[in-house]
Amino acid sequence: TQLLEQSPQFLSIQEGENLTVYCNSSSVFSSLQWYRQEPGEGPVLLVTVVTGGEVKKLKRLTFQFGDARKDSSLHITAAQPGDTGLYLCAGGIGGTSYGKLTFGQGTILTVHP
Amino acid sequence: NAGVMQNPRHLVRRRGQEARLRCSPMKGHSHVYWYRQLPEEGLKFMVYLQKENIIDESGMPKERFSAEFPKEGPSILRIQQVVRGDSAAYFCASSPHAGARIIMNTEAFFGQGTRLTVV
Repeated sequence: TQLLEQSPQFLSIQEGENLTVYCNSSSVFSSLQWYRQEPGEGPVLLVTVVTGGEVKKLKRLTFQFGDARKDSSLHITAAQPGDTGLYLCAGGIGGTSYGKLTFGQGTILTVHP
Repeated sequence: NAGVMQNPRHLVRRRGQEARLRCSPMKGHSHVYWYRQLPEEGLKFMVYLQKENIIDESGMPKERFSAEFPKEGPSILRIQQVVRGDSAAYFCASSPHAGARIIMNTEAFFGQGTRLTVV
């Protein structure tokens, strides 16, 4: 059974601070995806990383996939209240099961103005 | 340009009743995945279906839960004799074929979910 450990579970910071969320596993994944979910809505994809060591940037968000494709991180620079939400990482094993994803338990981020 | 459509958005059932959750995939998509999200937890894979076939149901509880994706019509997740522990958000996602990675973005390959409450 593949597991993804996401940390921290809760994060409460002030506007303008930086933060990093981690996603770790003992298993290798063919892809790692990060989502953001608002209350009462479905997850919305932020980014997909597929290559070990890959780094992707999306405005103030930086995503990294570990060299061994077992871990990933999400770094937010100068957080804003609009960044508040649930962040989920999810690993895919590829093959014929692209849609079968293993999700971390999520990080609830609160950014205070 | 409709995305994955789930209904109802909210469903309240008494213990012992049946719950039916529907998912209409994006047009042209023939692969459907169901996930369950318990309060303050991540999403857990339940079942993967293609038209008229269950491909992988390794995440489905052995009893009371069933899923189908008929040739015509939406995919149905059915929960018989619901209990309070079934209260959760149930999400559906779709893809055009097995070789395509699911891309879930604001234009939606992921449904908005059905919130089931068992009272």
